[in-house]
Amino acid sequence: DADVTQTPRNRITKTGKRIMLECSQTKGHDRMYWYRQDPGLGLRLIYYSFDVKDINKGEISDGYSVSRQAQAKFSLSLESAIPNQTALYFCATEPAWDTGELFFGEGSRLTVL
Amino acid sequence: EDKVVQSPLSLVVHEGDTVTLNCSYEVTNFRSLLWYKQEKKAPTFLFMLTSSGIEKKSGRLSSILDKKELFSILNITATQTGDSAIYLCAVEANKSFYLIFGKGTKLSVKP
Repeated sequence: DADVTQTPRNRITKTGKRIMLECSQTKGHDRMYWYRQDPGLGLRLIYYSFDVKDINKGEISDGYSVSRQAQAKFSLSLESAIPNQTALYFCATEPAWDTGELFFGEGSRLTVL
Repeated sequence: EDKVVQSPLSLVVHEGDTVTLNCSYEVTNFRSLLWYKQEKKAPTFLFMLTSSGIEKKSGRLSSILDKKELFSILNITATQTGDSAIYLCAVEANKSFYLIFGKGTKLSVKP
């Protein structure tokens, strides 16, 4: 089983729908991140969390919200999806001692029609 | 504004060739530079560099950092088709606590 699991892996939805992407990890890491990847744009940070009570906005947080339900779970929500949120979304974890090395999930491909 | 620029954006070579991928950065309070390889799915960690001039090596891959000129290179010798991937460079600054990624270099190795 993967150490960082994302669900769903693929999702097609319509404009205006609420979508939740979930991430769970068994690595015991405190730090968790949500990135989105668009072709030709690399990875851009949406939100990050260093522990259950800590939530921080990243570079492109508008239109997104997150919830850190437990050390192992970090969810990303799109309250009202729009087509330009079509992208590949990655969850990543990192140990608390800030190694810089991120461990990524397999990605969630979201298409908003 | 912190930024990371990779070049070239794409590259096609033949098996056995040696390639050099470039990463330049402008970051306030630089802490570290990391390289990742992304095949079809999740990026996987290759190297972390924090000091100038010290080469990190893993098999046919090697990388070095120049903190004076603000760049890093990733070398791959005797390329194989399995090296085909997107190579991502990322930088961490002391003030940001997260990685800032470049757009990546897409490497295609032809048989």
